[in-house]
Amino acid sequence: DGGITQSPKYLFRKEGQNVTLSCEQNLNHDAMYWYRQDPGQGLRLIYYSQIVNDFQKGDIAEGYSVSREKKESFPLTVTSAQKNPTAFYLCASSIRGRDRRKDNEQFFGPGTRLTVL
Amino acid sequence: GDSVTQMEGPVTLSEEAFLTINCTYTATGYPSLFWYVQYPGEGLQLLLKATKADDKGSNKGFEATYRKETTSFHLEKGSVQVSDSAVYFCALSDRDLNYGGSQGNLIFGKGTKLSVKP
Repeated sequence: DGGITQSPKYLFRKEGQNVTLSCEQNLNHDAMYWYRQDPGQGLRLIYYSQIVNDFQKGDIAEGYSVSREKKESFPLTVTSAQKNPTAFYLCASSIRGRDRRKDNEQFFGPGTRLTVL
Repeated sequence: GDSVTQMEGPVTLSEEAFLTINCTYTATGYPSLFWYVQYPGEGLQLLLKATKADDKGSNKGFEATYRKETTSFHLEKGSVQVSDSAVYFCALSDRDLNYGGSQGNLIFGKGTKLSVKP
């Protein structure tokens, strides 16, 4: 079955440490996205990538970094520079990359809950 | 910039009650509109969508009609069940008629939590 996987489901880290969240998709989608979800604030876009080896900052990119070396994978690193990293992180993908004629519906992974101790 | 406003929750209903969750939007261009649902501890799932004015999206008994004149996309269900308890997000994606410029990213409302009591 095709889908998006995120690992781990729960992640704990000590203050000052970097941590990398995994996101893999086997849907052959061109675009991938990372969102952060906080209670009562909806989803906020961190980074997105429309094609391999290219990515763009979203609304709240400070303190985060990404890479897109393979079409299937879009890992997110939460760095020690992120002031308030405790949150629920969601990865998504869509078939649309730079071809605007394609559908822009996004498919979501199950999420990773990061807690900074 | 583009934005989505949806009614604040939480919304608490009895089983078999009628549900309406209001959603209005502000956008340039011709957005596609979506409703996503999030069950506790999970990611988001697409519930329904509409890509042009007067389109009606429907799924699992839920419906929403794209109203350009009132810039709205209200979610409705005639008879809710306990299993419908979740957070519902309205979202838009700007659609670019000339295939250029717009990124096509989704903009989400803040979500409305629905609790259905037996």
